[in-house]
Amino acid sequence: QVHLVQSGAEVKSPGSSVKVSCKTSGSTFSTSTITWVRQAPGQGLEWMGGIIPMFGKPDYAEKFQDRVTISADDSTSTVYMEMSSLTSDDTAVYYCAREQTFFGLDFWGQGTLVTVSS
Amino acid sequence: VLTQSPDTLSLSPGERATLSCRASGTVASSYLGWYQHKPGQPPRLLIYGASNRATGIPDRFTGNGSGTDFTLTISRLEPEDFAVYYCQQYGSFSQNTFGQGTKVEIK
Repeated sequence: QVHLVQSGAEVKSPGSSVKVSCKTSGSTFSTSTITWVRQAPGQGLEWMGGIIPMFGKPDYAEKFQDRVTISADDSTSTVYMEMSSLTSDDTAVYYCAREQTFFGLDFWGQGTLVTVSS
Repeated sequence: VLTQSPDTLSLSPGERATLSCRASGTVASSYLGWYQHKPGQPPRLLIYGASNRATGIPDRFTGNGSGTDFTLTISRLEPEDFAVYYCQQYGSFSQNTFGQGTKVEIK
């Protein structure tokens, strides 16, 4: 069974950075596609970007290209999402999910609440 | 861009729900998924490839469509089906996007 376990909730100050982890198990990490999706309060789901650890090169939605870095650590089967220059608009629940070609986002992490507040 | 309609659907348990998702361009190889999202939980994959039910999804959920127009039908609403539903285009990082969601609420 595939499991994605995310790091815990974070409270950050405006202008700071946050790094959220997503540890995977139960599937072939290096060939999986791991994506990041967020949901701000009262808003819908927003695709942020993703990475295939085997290839190592992440890709991002245009909106997040300048502030988000997605990386992978093969040794721990963990994917990271780091966002910089946080504002209150970044307050959201951040999810990681596994995407399988044709099969969609079939397994999800539990979500990580990031609160940006002064 | 994926546009879902309606924004909100007010129905009673036992009724049929029909949700629409329209793409601004052709969705390649029907890489179109539907997700159910409830508060406090991660989204759950219902349908992939436009019309294939994911593992464990009841057969009251049906996905149809191709090209630019897709629908999700819930044949008879159960109490646990009241939630927000999203369509998603996937399969290519450059085209990965969600619709804005349709809330199915109890009338």
